[in-house]
Amino acid sequence: SYELTQPSSVSVSPGQTATITCSGDKMRNNYAYWYQQKPGQSPLLVIYQDTKRPSGIPERFSGSYSGNTATLTISGTQAMDEADYYCQAWDSNTEVFGTGTKLTVL
Amino acid sequence: QITLKESGPTLLKPTQTLTLTCTFSGFSLSTSGVGVGWIRQPPGKALEWLAVIYWDDDKRYRPSLKSRVSITRDTSKNQVVLTMTNMDPVDTATYYCARATNEMATTYFDHWGQGTLVTVSS
Repeated sequence: SYELTQPSSVSVSPGQTATITCSGDKMRNNYAYWYQQKPGQSPLLVIYQDTKRPSGIPERFSGSYSGNTATLTISGTQAMDEADYYCQAWDSNTEVFGTGTKLTVL
Repeated sequence: QITLKESGPTLLKPTQTLTLTCTFSGFSLSTSGVGVGWIRQPPGKALEWLAVIYWDDDKRYRPSLKSRVSITRDTSKNQVVLTMTNMDPVDTATYYCARATNEMATTYFDHWGQGTLVTVSS
């Protein structure tokens, strides 16, 4: 089955840049999507089609990709960005979510 | 304003069938490119996609659960129903419904419901 691998945890200091990766064999040919989930809340779409931000998502959130890896970058990370982040891709008519990354803002 | 809300039982016994209803507003499931999907999340674990139904009644299922899951829609009521048979304690999770957008030959979820916790226990 198709898998998307993320680091289990990432730590960053306030104001610094956080990067979260998402790797999968078929990422090269598929768009990546990113969701933020804070404790007790539903997921929120923060990046779609690799690099686009939905309305209302701060500019400090950006997405990129290279080869088999998609990357979510949070520039000038704020305490409010502390959350779990999941990548997602669509392949062979099925959805796949990544393993999830817990972002800690120290 | 787009809203979705899940409803259904909170407690089931093993082998029972789960039926969850997603009632939505602010969009139409008759609009090209629109769908509604179901995603679940076991306590403390990652998101897991289950199924999606589209504006043209096309349906997709998680391969490992295809024999147990069914998704249907009632466009007139703005509802989508998920049915999962033979429930097991490992199916204990928060179940979310979400609006799906199908663009560029891919699907993503741009609006989510609040989720409903379903516990399976004898």
